[in-house]
Amino acid sequence: GAGVSQTPSNKVTEKGKYVELRCDPISGHTALYWYRQSLGQGPEFLIYFQGTGAADDSGLPNDRFFAVRPEGSVSTLKIQRTERGDSAVYLCASSLVRNTEAFFGQGTRLTVV
Amino acid sequence: GQQVMQIPQYQHVQEGEDFTTYCNSSTTLSNIQWYKQRPGGHPVFLIQLVKSGEVKKQKRLTFQFGEAKKNSSLHITATQTTDVGTYFCAGPGATDSWGKLQFGAGTQVVVTP
Repeated sequence: GAGVSQTPSNKVTEKGKYVELRCDPISGHTALYWYRQSLGQGPEFLIYFQGTGAADDSGLPNDRFFAVRPEGSVSTLKIQRTERGDSAVYLCASSLVRNTEAFFGQGTRLTVV
Repeated sequence: GQQVMQIPQYQHVQEGEDFTTYCNSSTTLSNIQWYKQRPGGHPVFLIQLVKSGEVKKQKRLTFQFGEAKKNSSLHITATQTTDVGTYFCAGPGATDSWGKLQFGAGTQVVVTP
């Protein structure tokens, strides 16, 4: 596609449920990043992939968060046992190679009630 | 860990005026990127600076990277209403993986016609 696509755009879930957020990067981009952004804050780094492997997952807040990119393209961010504090906009970005211009998707707004 | 701070948090500008926003890191940065996020939108890449003391211009925007690679600035001349948005700086620390962009909290710019 023309840009980074994220689905769903909005997700409301109950506390304790499991959610999956999907990111479709720009074709040919080897690096893929996940961030989350709370109101009035800058994006907070979660994880980045180089190809299929997670090159740096030091930003994942705890073991309820997990992300995969099995074929080096689409990525899924998985959150288990969601908590109200997980509510935020989850942003995905991709770049041709690491640490070059990153193209962000529109984000998934996650609300845990 | 590395912290990236931006000042001011808010910038109210009269249309036609100039202003500068500053970015300071607690550690040396490998390089720095600047992004702009319009209200309700996603971050959009503006520029990347790599070399110590580097200065780059984009029309009315001038970006500088400090000699010590720990700070950066964005100067906008003759502000227009299209400059409204939040400006973020981001960079990997010198010991971070190059994919780990740490964002500041941003400078929110409001332009009065």
